[in-house]
Amino acid sequence: KNEVEQSPQNLTAQEGEFITINCSYSVGISALHWLQQHPGGGIVSLFMLSSGKKKHGRLIATINIQEKHSSLHITASHPRDSAVYICAVRNTDKLIFGTGTRLQVFP
Amino acid sequence: EPEVTQTPSHQVTQMGQEVILRCVPISNHLYFYWYRQILGQKVEFLVSFYNNEISEKSEIFDDQFSVERPDGSNFTLKIRSTKLEDSAMYFCASGREDEQYFGPGTRLTVT
Repeated sequence: KNEVEQSPQNLTAQEGEFITINCSYSVGISALHWLQQHPGGGIVSLFMLSSGKKKHGRLIATINIQEKHSSLHITASHPRDSAVYICAVRNTDKLIFGTGTRLQVFP
Repeated sequence: EPEVTQTPSHQVTQMGQEVILRCVPISNHLYFYWYRQILGQKVEFLVSFYNNEISEKSEIFDDQFSVERPDGSNFTLKIRSTKLEDSAMYFCASGREDEQYFGPGTRLTVT
């Protein structure tokens, strides 16, 4: 069983839709990261969370430490949001990655 | 804005050859990492480095791998004798405490 599980694996949306990606983990963590990976392969850090909620533009990330669960929300989605979104948890000195959620937003 | 850089962007090598992947972390960062991503798979941790020594390494990081910070700015990953299964994208990251900033990656192709 993977230590970090994401759902859904694939997500298709129409421009303007509200999107939620979920992440559950089974290990102890000191922080949780949401990352974005574009087709070229580069990884961009979106959020680092250890509690509560963070917002940046149209992106919102929440974490519930007791339930070992985090969500990434995208409001008013746009085709440029199309990418793979990866949840990763910090466990000791390393990050443990989920398999990613592939998001495609169509105009 | 400062960023992590990696060279080369793409390296092609023959099986059995040694390769060195180079990274320049963000200058005031203290923690350094290497990760790899085999095509179509998830990103995997290789090694973390702090205070001039390895702080944690994964099962993947066997005797064929080594890391070095030779001059206080570069951070290198060496693979001594490459295998076909080493073909992957290798990402360097640096940070302070829990945050991590990723480089653009080096695509290693072993033929």
